[in-house]
Amino acid sequence: GQNIDQPTEMTATEGAIVQINCTYQTSGFNGLFWYQQHAGEAPTFLSYNVLDGLEEKGRFSSFLSRSKGYSYLLLKELQMKDSASYLCAVRGRNSGYALNFGKGTSLLVTP
Amino acid sequence: NAGVMQNPRHLVRRRGQEARLRCSPMKGHSHVYWYRQLPEEGLKFMVYLQKENIIDESGMPKERFSAEFPKEGPSILRIQQVVRGDSAAYFCASSPDRGPTQAKNIQYFGAGTRLSVL
Repeated sequence: GQNIDQPTEMTATEGAIVQINCTYQTSGFNGLFWYQQHAGEAPTFLSYNVLDGLEEKGRFSSFLSRSKGYSYLLLKELQMKDSASYLCAVRGRNSGYALNFGKGTSLLVTP
Repeated sequence: NAGVMQNPRHLVRRRGQEARLRCSPMKGHSHVYWYRQLPEEGLKFMVYLQKENIIDESGMPKERFSAEFPKEGPSILRIQQVVRGDSAAYFCASSPDRGPTQAKNIQYFGAGTRLSVL
């Protein structure tokens, strides 16, 4: 089976930097995904890591360490519209194409 | 290119009725996935389909739930004889047929159908 843990809630200030951590235990590993989900809306794809290291995409970056079962999503220059739930998902080698999601981290950006 | 389209957005059913949820994948995508999200829970995988075939239904309850993706038309998730515990948001995702391996692994989600069972 797979176990994915991420903090339930985080609060940060507009213009700041925030790091959302995700740890996972999986039988086999075939990629880690981050999605953003605003209330009542579709999860939106942010990043996909399959190799160790940092992937940077504009204000958002994602890091992966397979040996530690650890990832983080880094959000820079926070904006009010970044207030949302951030979902970490892992695809295990033995789980086919299914994504296994954590419960999500609810981020509140304050003025 | 329109995104993944799900309808209806909201569906209310009484216990014992049937619920039909529809999903039209993005253009150029023939892989469809269904997930269920209960309150305070993460998205849970239910089933993966390609055109006319069920590839993986390991997350689907054995009774009352079925899914199809016909050659023509949207994918359908069908829940028979609904119970209160079926109340949840049901999300559909699709992934592309062609492209680099990394691109084909990305699933794009619809806005979901929120099912309420009275």
